[in-house]
Amino acid sequence: GEDVEQSLFLSVREGDSSVINCTYTDSSSTYLYWYKQEPGAGLQLLTYIFSNMDMKQDQRLTVLLNKKDKHLSLRIADTQTGDSAIYFCADLTSGTYKYIFGTGTRLKVLA
Amino acid sequence: DAMVIQNPRYQVTQFGKPVTLSCSQTLNHNVMYWYQQKSSQAPKLLFHYYDKDFNNEADTPDNFQSRRPNTSFCFLDIRSPGLGDAAMYLCATSVRHQETQYFGPGTRLLVL
Repeated sequence: GEDVEQSLFLSVREGDSSVINCTYTDSSSTYLYWYKQEPGAGLQLLTYIFSNMDMKQDQRLTVLLNKKDKHLSLRIADTQTGDSAIYFCADLTSGTYKYIFGTGTRLKVLA
Repeated sequence: DAMVIQNPRYQVTQFGKPVTLSCSQTLNHNVMYWYQQKSSQAPKLLFHYYDKDFNNEADTPDNFQSRRPNTSFCFLDIRSPGLGDAAMYLCATSVRHQETQYFGPGTRLLVL
């Protein structure tokens, strides 16, 4: 079956940029998503990118999609302590209802 | 604001005692999903409704059932909770299949 992988941990200093990476195996993705989950909370939709786009920018967030390498990244500019959370990427395949989630990356922002 | 609401946020039940978790939405979305999320893992889809059509994932235990009495509400029933069912339960909605899913805040279930 299809698979989505992420590194487990990332630590950055406040004010630096964070880059969270995701690789996927699906050749029929329609959308790729980034969700944020704070402790004890649900998943908050941060942004998404359609599979025919290369880049999407939304305020401090920049999503890059390399379809050839099946690599997705989320860059957070000027990272703040409030950005500390787990970040999940998710792949939505054409013709299906089902998200394939990555394992999640725990971002820790050091003051 | 339009949203996905889950009640209660925390639920404690006893081993084997049936429990119901609820989800409501004001988005008027056609699809409602239930996920189970254990600590440090990604959410795992249990089942979903497209309108009144129920779709069970193949590996969802029979102990888990769901009801959707109307567009706005969806319930997760756990008939005989075991210790292994302690988890966060997340409800999500989407306009239709192949669309973005919006998640509620979750209900954390503790089984004693």
